[in-house]
Amino acid sequence: EAQVTQNPRYLITVTGKKLTVTCSQNMNHEYMSWYRQDPGLGLRQIYYSMNVEVTDKGDVPEGYKVSRKEKRNFPLILESPSPNQTSLYFCASSSTGTSGRQVGEQYFGPGTRLTVT
Amino acid sequence: GENVGLHLPTLSVQEGDNSIINCAYSNSASDYFIWYKQESGKGPQFIIDIRSNMDKRQGQRVTVLLNKTVKHLSLQIAATQPGDSAVYFCAESAHSGTYKYIFGTGTRLKVLA
Repeated sequence: EAQVTQNPRYLITVTGKKLTVTCSQNMNHEYMSWYRQDPGLGLRQIYYSMNVEVTDKGDVPEGYKVSRKEKRNFPLILESPSPNQTSLYFCASSSTGTSGRQVGEQYFGPGTRLTVT
Repeated sequence: GENVGLHLPTLSVQEGDNSIINCAYSNSASDYFIWYKQESGKGPQFIIDIRSNMDKRQGQRVTVLLNKTVKHLSLQIAATQPGDSAVYFCAESAHSGTYKYIFGTGTRLKVLA
């Protein structure tokens, strides 16, 4: 089954304790992206990756890191989490077509609810 | 997500009627637009997309209209069903060099039996 998986689904942590949220897709997609979703603000893009070893900032990258060492995985790293990073996080992936530049339909994972106290 | 709908505008529609959900986008350089549906506790799900060289695109029971002059996008759902109840987001992207996506804040659709 084609899917995007995220782990963990729920996480409660304390300020400053490094954490990683994993994301994996089995569709051989080139494009992957991380979003956070907060009430009243909709989805905001954190980072995205066009392919292996190619990453770029979205609208809200501060406090986050990503890496894309393999095509299927795109982990989100919070080196020193703070309470304002409490949010619902979604990973998504998409193919980029034959041109390698056309990002189409994004497939979203089930979400990771993070609480930082 | 469970609480993301707390501050959203809500559209209530009778089952069987047509629904129209509107979205104003921000960037005149955006050339690709998508509508997503998000059910409670789940990730967004693609519904339909449209590129800026079109002003209308139809899918199964859904139609997206694009008005670039006023930077407005709408999603029409025909014969609305209870399973259509969800939060709907529009998203815009400019593919000329960047692959960032900007999402709208969403509209909650409630289908009344």
